[in-house]
Amino acid sequence: DAGVIQSPRHEVTEMGQEVTLRCKPISGHNSLFWYRQTMMRGLELLIYFNNNVPIDDSGMPEDRFSAKMPNASFSTLKIQPSEPRDSAVYFCASSGWSSYNSPLHFGNGTRLTVT
Amino acid sequence: ELKVEQNPLFLSMQEGKNYTIYCNYSTTSDRLYWYRQDPGKSLESLFVLLSNGAVKQEGRLMASLDTKARLSTLHITAAVHDLSATYFCAVDIISLKSTFGDGTTLTVKP
Repeated sequence: DAGVIQSPRHEVTEMGQEVTLRCKPISGHNSLFWYRQTMMRGLELLIYFNNNVPIDDSGMPEDRFSAKMPNASFSTLKIQPSEPRDSAVYFCASSGWSSYNSPLHFGNGTRLTVT
Repeated sequence: ELKVEQNPLFLSMQEGKNYTIYCNYSTTSDRLYWYRQDPGKSLESLFVLLSNGAVKQEGRLMASLDTKARLSTLHITAAVHDLSATYFCAVDIISLKSTFGDGTTLTVKP
């Protein structure tokens, strides 16, 4: 089991640029979550998918953020245009088919710095 | 809106001592999770608590859940340096999404 795989591990970009974060969930897991972690706001749920369908995107901060899950093994989180306040660690997590009893399995995160 | 509060937020303790971290939540739930995060690392699951009175133990850590009091505790017995980390509780209600507490940063000193 390779775990949840995120890429890139680090991303440094200039304000106004588009940023795309990628996630491969654990094979067989049917729920996928995008979290953002900052010192000021802690861990925030941005969006989650169940069976590739977005269920709750109420945590997406603005229209600049969008997320897709075109198939069960891949998801992207896109920020366009990026702003310095988007700097954070972005975690992707997945959970198993019995999701109500399953903890989240987190990827290693993407540390995003917007200058 | 579900609120999850942990206390203390920072905890410095000596090796060999015992201590308890508390997690209170505002809405009825019977699914609570504890996670550990080392500095600069990801979160890993420690315990899943699914019913009132549930108790789980792993090494020097023991977690319990009181759904009537809306309270979970993470008890540390005879702390060792390797337990230094940030510990998060997370609560689910109805849907799949977890709401996390702010985390308790534990430092164990020799």
